[in-house]
Amino acid sequence: DIQMTQSPSSLSASVGDRVTITCQATQDIRNYLNWYQQKPGRSPKLLIYGASNLETGVPSRFSGGRSGTDFTFTISSLQPEDIATYYCQQYYALPITFGQGTRLEIK
Amino acid sequence: EVQLVESGGGLVQPGGSLRLSCAASGFIFSDHYMEWVRQAPSQGLEWVGRTKHKSDSYITEYAASVKGRFTISRDHSKNLLYLQMNSLKTEDTAMYYCARLYDRQNDYWGQGTLVTVSS
Repeated sequence: DIQMTQSPSSLSASVGDRVTITCQATQDIRNYLNWYQQKPGRSPKLLIYGASNLETGVPSRFSGGRSGTDFTFTISSLQPEDIATYYCQQYYALPITFGQGTRLEIK
Repeated sequence: EVQLVESGGGLVQPGGSLRLSCAASGFIFSDHYMEWVRQAPSQGLEWVGRTKHKSDSYITEYAASVKGRFTISRDHSKNLLYLQMNSLKTEDTAMYYCARLYDRQNDYWGQGTLVTVSS
């Protein structure tokens, strides 16, 4: 199975800060990496697909990148409504696997 | 508008069975892979399995943790996705989400249905 190591597990930042989360795959997954946002009590929401493509309707402050098997998710200017847990997901091979999640809090 | 609405969750004893449903609307159901993803209390997301679309003969695939116990199926006359869960274990306790697959991402998710396995 492909393991996705996501870090950090939690993060506290101030409104307006630039926030970056990373996810590392245990093997090449090409660009088949997605990022989801899950707010408390809600279902996950797709933000980024194919490593760097912004889902329709998602604010442009969210972005994704890739360098080999390392993937980054960035919020350019943190907003109060961004409080959530973020997950990466690889969709290169079965079984589909997710990172452990990053809980983002406002300082 | 795409909508996915799960139902059927509840409390069941270990060793018991439960069938979850997911009502799909707003898209051509037979054209999409459909998946189940679960989330144990205060834990992360775990892929459960999927059924492919019509062109791939609705083939089903499962995570190792549920293979042989869980079965995914569809009713195309009602646009329903099912998850039949047998031989349930306490570790199957989770919120169960159905999700649509578009290309290689889950673009729509249901609100989830909670399954609790406990004596």
